[in-house]
Amino acid sequence: ETGVTQTPRHLVMGMTNKKSLKCEQHLGHNAMYWYKQSAKKPLELMFVYNFKEQTENNSVPSRFSPECPNSSHLFLHLHTLQPEDSALYLCASSLSLPSGRASPTDTQYFGPGTRLTVL
Amino acid sequence: AQKITQTQPGMFVQEKEAVTLDCTYDTSDQSYGLFWYKQPSSGEMIFLIYQGSYDEQNATEGRYSLNFQKARKSANLVISASQLGDSAMYFCAMREVSGGYQKVTFGTGTKLQVIP
Repeated sequence: ETGVTQTPRHLVMGMTNKKSLKCEQHLGHNAMYWYKQSAKKPLELMFVYNFKEQTENNSVPSRFSPECPNSSHLFLHLHTLQPEDSALYLCASSLSLPSGRASPTDTQYFGPGTRLTVL
Repeated sequence: AQKITQTQPGMFVQEKEAVTLDCTYDTSDQSYGLFWYKQPSSGEMIFLIYQGSYDEQNATEGRYSLNFQKARKSANLVISASQLGDSAMYFCAMREVSGGYQKVTFGTGTKLQVIP
């Protein structure tokens, strides 16, 4: 496998279910991200992990719980979701740099996404 | 705070013609990066091209070029010789660094449709 992979690609769940989304990157990056993409809305950053440490939680409801056991894997645990949580969930990774100067290596590479439907 | 504006919700272009997708941005950072991504109907966000704020030359990647006008804060994507496979959503994005990681702000996107 190369690049960024996500499983499952499609998920249908009820509001009382518990499920997890998985993301894996094979690029040697050390920063990973979860985004939510709803219809007719800009991409929304949910969580950021830098060197396995969570560095951003963009006011995401607690029914979404991220986990980053190492720099290559990222999970999003889901429980008691609402129908409005139905969306495309995208994972991305990048090479985290200590310098503040912009660089081409800032580029985030995305996985194919998980299309989630909450009934 | 950063802001990315894409004013064209949808565009049509004839196959083999060139098309320009508009993007303007606002930031107080001196060092920033600008990106364009393509999202086909399958959903995957595909990186196309990068432009750094200090780069003097406009970025080019094959049929993609970025028309970077720093004073106007614009970073338009030019696709030359459009192909049917170019039909997709296109997103402009900008990067800032906070705490050593990249936070990228995305625009609302432009839906490009290539007509045979």
